[in-house]
Amino acid sequence: DTEVTQTPKHLVMGMTNKKSLKCEQHMGHRAMYWYKQKAKKPPELMFVYSYEKLSINESVPSRFSPECPNSSLLNLHLHALQPEDSALYLCASRLAGDTDTQYFGPGTRLTVL
Amino acid sequence: TQLLEQSPQFLSIQEGENLTVYCNSSSVFSSLQWYRQEPGEGPVLLVTVVTGGEVKKLKRLTFQFGDARKDSSLHITAAQPGDTGLYLCAGPDGSSNTGKLIFGQGTTLQVKP
Repeated sequence: DTEVTQTPKHLVMGMTNKKSLKCEQHMGHRAMYWYKQKAKKPPELMFVYSYEKLSINESVPSRFSPECPNSSLLNLHLHALQPEDSALYLCASRLAGDTDTQYFGPGTRLTVL
Repeated sequence: TQLLEQSPQFLSIQEGENLTVYCNSSSVFSSLQWYRQEPGEGPVLLVTVVTGGEVKKLKRLTFQFGDARKDSSLHITAAQPGDTGLYLCAGPDGSSNTGKLIFGQGTTLQVKP
């Protein structure tokens, strides 16, 4: 089973709202990732968690706040977003160690009004 | 800095035609992954190639990793409308041990019935 799940599938929020995206995997993967993707472009890395510790923050604005409560769960907390933050947000996981392959979830389509 | 250059960026063909997508770099990669992505969905892993010169087949799709592990190709035989989507090649950033992926710019394929 190589399944990564993400909820919600779609999210519409105002610029003053606070919302969270959730990602879950039960494959025993110890590296988890958040990406942002605009239409017809490759995913852009936002954050990397390795063994539940934040290892990479790609200079993401503080209105995006990641959290890794345990090895299976990854959250992305959103606050005071801008319309240009509207995009497809993808979660991915990797076994870690020497394994390179990442498995992606179905994504959350976020619209900021 | 490692880069992956994909070509062509856009491809529109008739059902039944053959096509090849290229993913090239001046850098050596330990592996390359190919993903297919449909609009509004997450990338789905098609294959990981690891060994230089390796050829992998997935039904009508043939993947090749260059002998020097600097390039890869995806060949589709007798394309079908269900092959329509964004094809992404990706490889691990060799300067990072967090599994950060470098993506090509993607190839948008449209197969017309």
